[in-house]
Amino acid sequence: GEDVEQSLFLSVREGDSSVINCTYTDSSSTYLYWYKQEPGAGLQLLTYIFSNMDMKQDQRLTVLLNKKDKHLSLRIADTQTGDSAIYFCAETSSYNTDKLIFGTGTRLQVFP
Amino acid sequence: DADVTQTPRNRITKTGKRIMLECSQTKGHDRMYWYRQDPGLGLRLIYYSFDVKDINKGEISDGYSVSRQAQAKFSLSLESAIPNQTALYFCATSDGGSTGELFFGEGSRLTVL
Repeated sequence: GEDVEQSLFLSVREGDSSVINCTYTDSSSTYLYWYKQEPGAGLQLLTYIFSNMDMKQDQRLTVLLNKKDKHLSLRIADTQTGDSAIYFCAETSSYNTDKLIFGTGTRLQVFP
Repeated sequence: DADVTQTPRNRITKTGKRIMLECSQTKGHDRMYWYRQDPGLGLRLIYYSFDVKDINKGEISDGYSVSRQAQAKFSLSLESAIPNQTALYFCATSDGGSTGELFFGEGSRLTVL
């Protein structure tokens, strides 16, 4: 079946880089996504990568995709306290490309 | 005002009660979704609808029902609430575009005692 796995917690010092990892099982996903959930709020799309790409960079964010290992990562450079949130990895379902399969979420805590 | 609005934001109820969570959107999207969030389990899809006449079950639809009253409104009902339905519920919309981006409401926290 389709499954998306993430570690549950990550704690980093302000100014350091954060790397949030995700593994997925469906190799036919068209897009892979990173959503951010701030406290008390819904999820918002942070960035996404098309499956034929290896890397995507957007300001402080770098997404790396290793299709062979089915591994997706999100690197946040110069992590700030405002980056504290839950980050969800998601992929499109091969059975129904209109559905997203979400990971368990990684809670990022940034300390001074 | 939020593009995707959920009511109520918080609700405490008792086992066996009927509960309705409502969602309305001003984005003009055809596609609407209900997700449930539980700690350590991420988001799981309950039901989704691609237009007013279209309703589809997600991965955890048992114990839930939905109604798509209009393009802008999609409600989720728990006919007889049970404690393991205690969770944070999210409504989301999509225009079905190439990236498949979902736009989420702020969530409805439901506690069933």
